[in-house]
Amino acid sequence: QKEVEQDPGPLSVPEGAIVSLNCTYSNSAFQYFMWYRQYSRKGPELLMYTYSSGNKEDGRFTAQVDKSSKYISLFIRDSQPSDSATYLCAMSPNAGGTSYGKLTFGQGTILTVHP
Amino acid sequence: EADIYQTPRYLVIGTGKKITLECSQTMGHDKMYWYQQDPGMELHLIHYSYGVNSTEKGDLSSESTVSRIRTEHFPLTLESARPSHTSQYLCASSVGEETQYFGPGTRLLVL
Repeated sequence: QKEVEQDPGPLSVPEGAIVSLNCTYSNSAFQYFMWYRQYSRKGPELLMYTYSSGNKEDGRFTAQVDKSSKYISLFIRDSQPSDSATYLCAMSPNAGGTSYGKLTFGQGTILTVHP
Repeated sequence: EADIYQTPRYLVIGTGKKITLECSQTMGHDKMYWYQQDPGMELHLIHYSYGVNSTEKGDLSSESTVSRIRTEHFPLTLESARPSHTSQYLCASSVGEETQYFGPGTRLLVL
């Protein structure tokens, strides 16, 4: 079983829709949670970063972490065609130990927002 | 915007050739990483470095090797390329444990 599971989609939504992207994980040591956006033929770029549980909002993007359920989400409000990309969740354990600083990625969800 | 660069962006090469993929960052980050990414698959860590003269193998076994002689430079070398090495290679750097900045990637095709 993979440490991080992410539905690969693809997900196709109309412009203006609210998009929900999700990941589940099994390693309770994960403390840092990130969402990356990757456009075709580009490297991933960091969208959101959250430490431990809670919500974080940045413009049209909201990241949620529920550590009790080992579940994280990224919500995109008023989605735009420019949001069309692959969205990757990533996680890192707490400080210390041999895994410190190393990210474990989900498979990525392909999102298309059509006009 | 992150200042991390990878060259070449695309490489088509024959089996048995030696190749070096370059990665440089101008942010002074101590930590650097190499990931391999196949289409529709997650990124797999193949090498990482926490500073000069420090290199470690990642979670995914790889026949490639890396070196870290300067903080800003983290090249990856394949001594003898094979078709199974065909993939996208992504370099990243970070100063902390959470914000890794990625380069644009190198798409490698071994014939």
